[in-house]
Amino acid sequence: DVKVTQSSRYLVKRTGEKVFLECVQDMDHENMFWYRQDPGLGLRLIYFSYDVKMKEKGDIPEGYSVSREKKERFSLILESASTNQTSMYLCASTPGAGGETQYFGPGTRLLVL
Amino acid sequence: AQSVTQLDSHVSVSEGTPVLLRCNYSSSYSPSLFWYVQHPNKGLQLLLKYTSAATLVKGINGFEAEFKKSETSFHLTKPSAHMSDAAEYFCVVSVRGYSTLTFGKGTMLLVSP
Repeated sequence: DVKVTQSSRYLVKRTGEKVFLECVQDMDHENMFWYRQDPGLGLRLIYFSYDVKMKEKGDIPEGYSVSREKKERFSLILESASTNQTSMYLCASTPGAGGETQYFGPGTRLLVL
Repeated sequence: AQSVTQLDSHVSVSEGTPVLLRCNYSSSYSPSLFWYVQHPNKGLQLLLKYTSAATLVKGINGFEAEFKKSETSFHLTKPSAHMSDAAEYFCVVSVRGYSTLTFGKGTMLLVSP
C-alpha cells in the first residue's frame, strides 16, 4: 500500500511566523503535490513537483514556497503566515507519467492566529 | 483548460434508497475522470476512475459512474445508500497523461436512518 504521511495533524501558529509542513511518501513516486482545502471551494493546487529540486506553481501559489531536496519528501513553506492561510493542507503523490491516481496524506489542519 | 462542476453542494437520502451525485466536466483534451471520497477527519480515498476503457466504471463500496461524452457528465450512483456512505465526494478531472488534477467543489452526502 502506498503511504503518504504528513508531519502534523493539527498546527497552531501566530501571524508572521514561518511555517513548515512536511510530507513523505514511501513508494518512490516521481510527482508530489500540495493542496489546500476550504469549505465550499474543494481542493486547490498550491505547488507540485515532478522531480527532485523541481517545482511548478499551481493555481494559488501566492504566499507559499516549496522544497524538494529528496525524492520522498516535499515541504510546503509559509514564509510569513497570515490568518487567511488558516486551512486544511493535503499532500499527495503519484507515479511518473501516466500514473494519474493521486494518493493523499491525512492532512494538516493549520490555524493561524 | 479543464473544469468540473458538481451540481449539488448537499444531497440527502434515506438509508436503503439510491444515491445520485452529479458531475459535469469540461476539458480541451481526452479526460481522465475520478471520484474521491473524504470521510470526516480522514484523507481522500479514490472511489473509482475512468481513463479510456469501458464507459461504465465500477468502484469500491458498490459505487459506479458512467462517462457520457455527449453530455460531458460523470455522475456517481449507488443503488442503496448505507449510513457509512455519509461523507464528502469530489469529482475530479485530469488531462490523460498528465498528473495535475482539477477538483470540483464537493458534494456532501447525508444519509438518514
